Amino acid sequence: GESVGLHLPTLSVQEGDNSIINCAYSNSASDYFIWYKQESGKGPQFIIDIRSNMDKRQGQRVTVLLNKTVKHLSLQIAATQPGDSAVYFCAENGSGYALNFGKGTSLLVTP
Amino acid sequence: DSGVTQTPKHLITATGQRVTLRCSPRSGDLSVYWYQQSLDQGLQFLIQYYNGEERAKGNILERFSAQQFPDLHSELNLSSLELGDSALYFCASSVAGQGKETQYFGPGTRLLVL
Repeated sequence: GESVGLHLPTLSVQEGDNSIINCAYSNSASDYFIWYKQESGKGPQFIIDIRSNMDKRQGQRVTVLLNKTVKHLSLQIAATQPGDSAVYFCAENGSGYALNFGKGTSLLVTP
Repeated sequence: DSGVTQTPKHLITATGQRVTLRCSPRSGDLSVYWYQQSLDQGLQFLIQYYNGEERAKGNILERFSAQQFPDLHSELNLSSLELGDSALYFCASSVAGQGKETQYFGPGTRLLVL
């Protein structure tokens, strides 16, 4: 798999466009999923979460979609702004209490 | 601001030394988690405490230990430090320490081992 940092997947979008960040998970027992945003030098910041009994959940400018059949999670950001530039992590609870994080996707918003 | 505080923000030390990282959870949260973030491993769960008791253990080395005190703050002790321990260490907290609740992260401690 890819590593954080030099090999971090990067998504570049123009300001005002919609962004879609994807995440795959492997544990079919996972029943809680969460997206975090991490800006440089800061801790992960909660964006939105979803439980396995839901397929879709909406927040302010963000939507999370969950497809349990193919074990896929996506984060949609509407009208992307420069302040959305950051690394985005999906995480799932597996079968325990801790969160298992994906490797992250770097979102770059260009003017 | 998540409400989780961590000190110090930066720490520079030498191999073989021991350091202590401190975390105060959000008001009302009973559970504290420690995570390590390195460039090649991403965010890795280390250990969780709930109301003073260890609840779950992840990829925590034997050289590392943690505890949660009666006032619910937590400390992560890293000993016999190696170059590879250089990383960001995050503390997170949640209300009840269950698997289906939001964990709120602190700003992290950046550890550099020289």
